[in-house]
Amino acid sequence: AQKVTQTQTSISVVEKTTVTMDCVYETRDSSYFLFWYKQTASGEIVFLIRQDSYKKENATVGHYSLNFQKPKSSIGLIITATQIEDSAVYFCAMREGSSNTNKVVFGTGTRLQVLP
Amino acid sequence: GPKVLQIPSHQIIDMGQMVTLNCDPVSNHLYFYWYKQILGQQMEFLVNFYNGKVMEKSKLFKDQFSVERPDGSYFTLKIQPTALEDSAVYFCASSTQGASAETLYFGSGTRLTVL
Repeated sequence: AQKVTQTQTSISVVEKTTVTMDCVYETRDSSYFLFWYKQTASGEIVFLIRQDSYKKENATVGHYSLNFQKPKSSIGLIITATQIEDSAVYFCAMREGSSNTNKVVFGTGTRLQVLP
Repeated sequence: GPKVLQIPSHQIIDMGQMVTLNCDPVSNHLYFYWYKQILGQQMEFLVNFYNGKVMEKSKLFKDQFSVERPDGSYFTLKIQPTALEDSAVYFCASSTQGASAETLYFGSGTRLTVL
């Protein structure tokens, strides 16, 4: 069964610095897809970035990038030059690709607070 | 970007009553999902739906739950009868294709309070 674990419940950083949020996953599939979503204070859930398991190069979108370490089943999210508006809860998620499932499983989330 | 709309944003009902949560998915999307989130915690998968059928469901998708999308209108989650533990925020999501792992687009959620 697939599982996603985020051990950091809360992180505080000063704006304009870099933060890394951890995520490890479990799956028996050889093909899978990893995602990071952001939930704002209003409750809105927004897709940020994605990594396909067969791609070796780390994904990058704007000031979000991923640290994909496949042997460790780890997919960390890196936010550079953080801004106050990056304060939110960040969820890591996974979808298995080769098995007959469309289910996306989420981690428990990491609350990021960016301070002035 | 694409928008998923959920109606209503907040629903308060008495335990034992029926409730229907409505979701208007992105127009060209084919896969639909419901997730349950309690007190800002982890989002728990409930069910996904494709081509008029439930494809997968979790243990949280109790017998009192049902989903449908009659004639391409709203994708609905019905709970009948409701229980206190059904109080949560329910998020609807949709995607274009399942197998190619397209991004999920989420609605803003419906906060359900069961009294």
